[in-house]
This record gives sequence, C-alpha cells and structure tokens, in this order.
Amino acid sequence: EAGVAQSPRYKIIEKRQSVAFWCNPISGHATLYWYQQILGQGPKLLIQFQNNGVVDDSQLPKDRFSAERLKGVDSTLKIQPAKLEDSAVYLCASSSFYEQYFGPGTRLTVT
Amino acid sequence: GDSVTQMEGPVTLSEEAFLTINCTYTATGYPSLFWYVQYPGEGLQLLLKATKADDKGSNKGFEATYRKETTSFHLEKGSVQVSDSAVYFCALSPLGTSYGKLTFGQGTILTVHP
Repeated sequence: EAGVAQSPRYKIIEKRQSVAFWCNPISGHATLYWYQQILGQGPKLLIQFQNNGVVDDSQLPKDRFSAERLKGVDSTLKIQPAKLEDSAVYLCASSSFYEQYFGPGTRLTVT
Repeated sequence: GDSVTQMEGPVTLSEEAFLTINCTYTATGYPSLFWYVQYPGEGLQLLLKATKADDKGSNKGFEATYRKETTSFHLEKGSVQVSDSAVYFCALSPLGTSYGKLTFGQGTILTVHP
C-alpha cells in the first residue's frame, strides 16, 4: 500500500513570497489533515478535511494560509505572503478508522 | 483546550538501559492516547495506542498504560537499542477513533549509545 505522498520535500523562499505544497493521501482515506511542525515542537493541526469539506480550520491563519481539497483526493496548502515565522515542516496525514498515516513532510525555510 | 505535556529532553541512555518517557494530558471526555515515533530522516509513525482507561498499548518492546486517574500515558521499554534513537511524541485524539485531530506534546529526543 502506497503511503501519503508530499511534494516538494524542501523549499526555500524569501519573506513575502508565496509557496504551495501538495499532498496525495492513501487511496480510500476520506479524512486528510495538514499539520505545522516548528523546530523543537510537536505538530499542530492547521486544517482537517472530510472528503472535500472542511471539518476544522480553527488554527489556520486565514489571512495568509489557504487550503483546498478538490474532488476529495489531493490537497494543496498555500502560504501568501510568507513570513519568517512560517519556517517549519508541513505534514500531511490521512486516516483510516484505526490510524493516522503521515507523509514525509515539506521543510519550508523563509529567509 | 486539550493539551499534552511530555518530560523535558533530550534523554541519553546506554544500550540495554530501561527507558521511561513521561506524558500527561488534559482533555475533556475520554480521549484516545498515542505514542508516535520519528526516526532520523523519516516521517511520523504510530508506535502504539490505547483507546480507553486501563488499556495497555504495546509494540516493538515499548509499552504504555492509559491511566485516567493520573491522566498519564508514560512510555516504557525494558532494554533500549541503538536503533531506538529517535524523537518520541505523545498525542491525544478527543474522539474514540483516529479520525479526530491529534494534539501533540513537544517531543522527546532519545539517543542510545552502544
């Protein structure tokens, strides 16, 4: 069974630029999550989708972050404009009834 | 809101030593509890879980018991190996399944020396 795929793996941008991350969940998983993991901290949920609908986006900074999940499969997370404090690893996960499966993450560095 | 607190790290042990990583939580209702592990260069992996009070999760020699009276889920292993070197995260989900969002602790870095 293929795991959660994410791209790119690494991205370096300057502040005020925009960036987008892509996630392909495990086939058949209706629930998809985006987490932000700042260095030295545990992951923090940004947004949760059920199929292509948003379940929880209470911790998403909506003035600069946006996410979509068209057709209930792949998802993209966008940051525009980026700030220095957005430097982090962005993790995508999808879940079955028993477990959340995480992708390898995208490491974003904002300079 | 929900929160998870892990013991301060990093933790450095010699091979075959006993490991304990403390984890306590604050949550309403009856959350599910998890330990995730992140090996160097890899993604987060589920290590073990427990879904109700007094449940014991176990995997790869690691164990943790869901203690509702002390709101704790401490991770233990009787004899660590060099290959156990990783970052360990305690987490909770407010629902009885894995569908709910996970709230993570800050992580504990474990280094095991030969």
